[in-house]
Amino acid sequence: AQSVTQLDSHVSVSEGTPVLLRCNYSSSYSPSLFWYVQHPNKGLQLLLKYTSAATLVKGINGFEAEFKKSETSFHLTKPSAHMSDAAEYFCVVSALNTNAGKSTFGDGTTLTVKP
Amino acid sequence: EPEVTQTPSHQVTQMGQEVILRCVPISNHLYFYWYRQILGQKVEFLVSFYNNEISEKSEIFDDQFSVERPDGSNFTLKIRSTKLEDSAMYFCASEGERNTEAFFGQGTRLTVV
Repeated sequence: AQSVTQLDSHVSVSEGTPVLLRCNYSSSYSPSLFWYVQHPNKGLQLLLKYTSAATLVKGINGFEAEFKKSETSFHLTKPSAHMSDAAEYFCVVSALNTNAGKSTFGDGTTLTVKP
Repeated sequence: EPEVTQTPSHQVTQMGQEVILRCVPISNHLYFYWYRQILGQKVEFLVSFYNNEISEKSEIFDDQFSVERPDGSNFTLKIRSTKLEDSAMYFCASEGERNTEAFFGQGTRLTVV
């Protein structure tokens, strides 16, 4: 079994300040973890992924995330928010224990960036 | 860069009608998925497909839904008799190897009226 909890449904930051979007997971197996971004009326875009290599993962647009097994966390960060970062963010865990892996999505976090 | 493509981008249909949502996965991928996202809600897993058969399906994927890969390239989701509550964004995804990275299409917005 696997699950994902995004701890904040809404995060609001000012442009130029750091972003922290929190994600905790549970998985019976070594997980693969992903962060996707969805801009309004758009599809899902992969920001970054962790698949059992380096625990600090760098993604596109200056985002990064750190896999912390002891805390079962995979929080997404960015040092300086940009107006274009305003979007919905999904933390996703992928299973190993089925013939074909399936992705379990968190509820999403809406990021608002204030000028 | 290879991508998953979905057609149409938006489909409007009358309640009770059949719809087919089409997806062209990345060509050498082996695992295929459908997800849906009702407006304002989370993305939900519907079904996974591997080796020409369903691997896993959620409780949402009832007898009104079916999937197939008719010609080795397209991957389709059929809803036999649409209901108002089927209105959602439907995402197709494909994966080359299990548990690597699922590439998602841009989605098809289905509106049932």
